[in-house]
Amino acid sequence: QSALTQPASVSGSPGQSITISCTGTSGDVGGYNYVSWYQQHPGKAPKLMIYDVSYRPSGVSNRFSGSKSGNTASLTISGLQADDEADYYCSSYTSSSTVLFGGGTKLTVL
Amino acid sequence: EVQLLESGGGLVQPGGSLRLSCAASGFTFSSYAMSWVRQAPGKGLEWVSVIYSGGSSTYYADSVKGRFTISRDNSKNTLYLQMNSLRDEDTALYFCAKDYRTSSWSQFDCWGQGTLVTVSS
Repeated sequence: QSALTQPASVSGSPGQSITISCTGTSGDVGGYNYVSWYQQHPGKAPKLMIYDVSYRPSGVSNRFSGSKSGNTASLTISGLQADDEADYYCSSYTSSSTVLFGGGTKLTVL
Repeated sequence: EVQLLESGGGLVQPGGSLRLSCAASGFTFSSYAMSWVRQAPGKGLEWVSVIYSGGSSTYYADSVKGRFTISRDNSKNTLYLQMNSLRDEDTALYFCAKDYRTSSWSQFDCWGQGTLVTVSS
């Protein structure tokens, strides 16, 4: 199984909004609403930011939002802040009862 | 406070074996599916395996199927990963991860800090 497809990098200035895409197939992203997004700062464990495509766990800023259309999910971060600079990974449940992660996107806050 | 603490990593030769452990606390361990996720140095996340709450069902990534075995001891609140026939490409930081809710799995709201496995001669 190949990883979900994410852009390698995105960037934005403080206060701006950015969107990270995550493309899979009908056997994963398109077939299930178990799509999640994780934030990982260097040397740290990943942190769940979005689950079930568009829901935020308690404590996660409402500047983070998720959506899905067909086989592509998206993470949008509005009002960019310096601390948002990190790696972001999407993941999806699959028809094989496994989990696929995206390759990761490095977000740079200019 | 929910905590996951991995141990058991280290340096092992190709073809060797290693057993990882993950001690859980702060939640009802027996109610949640648990997974192992790894990250090779400088690379992305790769899901490795899951075990359902009661231990009755397990699933593996194709890259480790037949070589790794996941298990759990709910009486000890501990998750395990037995790794056999290790290869260079198994070198990674191994995280244990707790599922977000009890009624399904695949989304992880708590992660340990990881234990490093290095496969090298």
